Amino acid sequence: SQELEQSPQSLIVQEGKNLTINCTSSKTLYGLYWYKQKYGEGLIFLMMLQKGGEEKSHEKITAKLDEKKQQSSLHITASQPSHAGIYLCGAEKTSYDKVIFGPGTSLSVIP
Amino acid sequence: NAGVTQTPKFRILKIGQSMTLQCAQDMNHNYMYWYRQDPGMGLKLIYYSVGAGITDKGEVPNGYNVSRSTTEDFPLRLELAAPSQTSVYFCASSIAGGRNEQFFGPGTRLTVL
Repeated sequence: SQELEQSPQSLIVQEGKNLTINCTSSKTLYGLYWYKQKYGEGLIFLMMLQKGGEEKSHEKITAKLDEKKQQSSLHITASQPSHAGIYLCGAEKTSYDKVIFGPGTSLSVIP
Repeated sequence: NAGVTQTPKFRILKIGQSMTLQCAQDMNHNYMYWYRQDPGMGLKLIYYSVGAGITDKGEVPNGYNVSRSTTEDFPLRLELAAPSQTSVYFCASSIAGGRNEQFFGPGTRLTVL
């Protein structure tokens, strides 16, 4: 069955630094989602990618889906304390199917 | 709009007790989901519903039951609680299935002792 892996598992960065989180699958990714979870709260949708090579940005966060559609990266530029939280990737098991989630990457940003 | 609401926020149960986790959404979404989140394990889908009267099992349905009598409500029932059900439970909804954003509730933290 398809599983999603995320790396790194956790990350501590100094405010102002750039960082990248990866989401990898052994199978083709359909409908790749990125969510952010603040500690102790629910998930908030960031963006969705569905085409190989697609790239989307929202404020200082950019997500890409590679051409083979088996890996996605989330890049944060000039990190801020407000970026702290858990970032989860999710993907449809098959096209337009239910979403499975990766284990998450915990991000801490030190002022 | 309140979005997706969940009650209670916290609960402690004894082994063998039962309880219902409540979930409601006011966005007229057809799809609703229940997930559990364990440390380092991401979210696992317990049950989902594509509309009133229709429910289906997810990845980890054992020990749980659901019903969907209205579009707005999707309660999750735990029968005979076990320590393995200690987790944070999230309810979510979406307007439709694939390629649609899911909206999440704030979660219910359940401890079974």
